[in-house]
Amino acid sequence: GESVGLHLPTLSVQEGDNSIINCAYSNSASDYFIWYKQESGKGPQFIIDIRSNMDKRQGQRVTVLLNKTVKHLSLQIAATQPGDSAVYFCAENGAQDSSASKIIFGSGTRLSIRP
Amino acid sequence: DAGVTQSPTHLIKTRGQQVTLRCSPKSGHDTVSWYQQALGQGPQFIFQYYEEEERQRGNFPDRFSGHQFPNYSSELNVNALLLGDSALYLCASSVGLAGGGDTQYFGPGTRLTVL
Repeated sequence: GESVGLHLPTLSVQEGDNSIINCAYSNSASDYFIWYKQESGKGPQFIIDIRSNMDKRQGQRVTVLLNKTVKHLSLQIAATQPGDSAVYFCAENGAQDSSASKIIFGSGTRLSIRP
Repeated sequence: DAGVTQSPTHLIKTRGQQVTLRCSPKSGHDTVSWYQQALGQGPQFIFQYYEEEERQRGNFPDRFSGHQFPNYSSELNVNALLLGDSALYLCASSVGLAGGGDTQYFGPGTRLTVL
């Protein structure tokens, strides 16, 4: 069925280090995945997405890795900054097509940065 | 250029009452999706409106209904409120139904508390 979950609810990282946030999904038919960042008092903000025909995609300071064999997704943030403190959600497309028309969110990982 | 706006910001109701939440999409957007986010959880898809029609629906009872107006703004109505309806209600707007996550913008949400 449609299910997206995260391995850890909280992650504490030293400023300047790299952060890795992991996510598992259960629907092997899922073909589109999105990472969101949600700061306190705000709605989710798109970070990066990846389609199932890719294993890796890079953005500015962020990389998403997709392992379809074990149904695992990860978000890597390089040189973590205080502004990266937020809750991060992985999400999958729950509609029939590869669009963001129905997004299934996981429960989130809170990233905190140590000075 | 205004982003997605939602009103009211906060709302307190009692069990059994009815509530209407409002959303104005980002300029140029014609599709509105609604999500419910319980405290500490990821957002859950309620439904999506396009061309004034409900296009997709998540696993929510009929107490949750919506409407989209010709100017693309949208309302979410919840009848017979339950304590469990207390949550942050998020509106997201996009163009059409086929866009990716990078084309969908979330508003700041309406915090509903049911007493």
